[in-house]
Amino acid sequence: DVKVTQSSRYLVKRTGEKVFLECVQDMDHENMFWYRQDPGLGLRLIYFSYDVKMKEKGDIPEGYSVSREKKERFSLILESASTNQTSMYLCASSLDPLAGRKNNEQFFGPGTRLTVL
Amino acid sequence: AQSVAQPEDQVNVAEGNPLTVKCTYSVSGNPYLFWYVQYPNRGLQFLLKYITGDNLVKGSYGFEAEFNKSQTSFHLKKPSALVSDSALYFCAVRDSGTYKYIFGTGTRLKVLA
Repeated sequence: DVKVTQSSRYLVKRTGEKVFLECVQDMDHENMFWYRQDPGLGLRLIYFSYDVKMKEKGDIPEGYSVSREKKERFSLILESASTNQTSMYLCASSLDPLAGRKNNEQFFGPGTRLTVL
Repeated sequence: AQSVAQPEDQVNVAEGNPLTVKCTYSVSGNPYLFWYVQYPNRGLQFLLKYITGDNLVKGSYGFEAEFNKSQTSFHLKKPSALVSDSALYFCAVRDSGTYKYIFGTGTRLKVLA
């Protein structure tokens, strides 16, 4: 079974703190993604990575950065947490769809519910 | 630009009745379509996908979906709903030639006993 794990299920931080969310996948997937999920807005893409050290901005990258030093690990960083970053954060991974791989559905971690006070 | 619409925030259905959760999409190239389910306080689980081939796709837990190119729709269906099917359902699309998956806003399915 594909497994995507996230470092914390629940996290409470204070405004201005630097926050690290870690994601690890064990299926040798090329692509990894960070989303935030808010009621009524669905999933919105923050950043994605299609290879080690490669990253691209998604639809809402402001206030976030990412790091992918190893293939299995993709980190999301909130440089200075703000209350409007209170949300559920979901990590996902997939095989590279542009490499002709038909099984490119995404596999999701359990999510991290972040509260910024 | 890619987009996905799930026009219903919530769908209620009686146990044993057929269910449909609607999804329409817009892409510039060939669409790759997906359905996911989310149970409370959990991540999303993959249900089924359409890549190419038969328009009727069968997936996990007895769900199926029909790809309709002319109506740009990919509605999720199940012949007989179970109370345990109650969850949040997301439709997603990926345009050929891109890495990005676009998700709908989700439809909450409530199956009543």
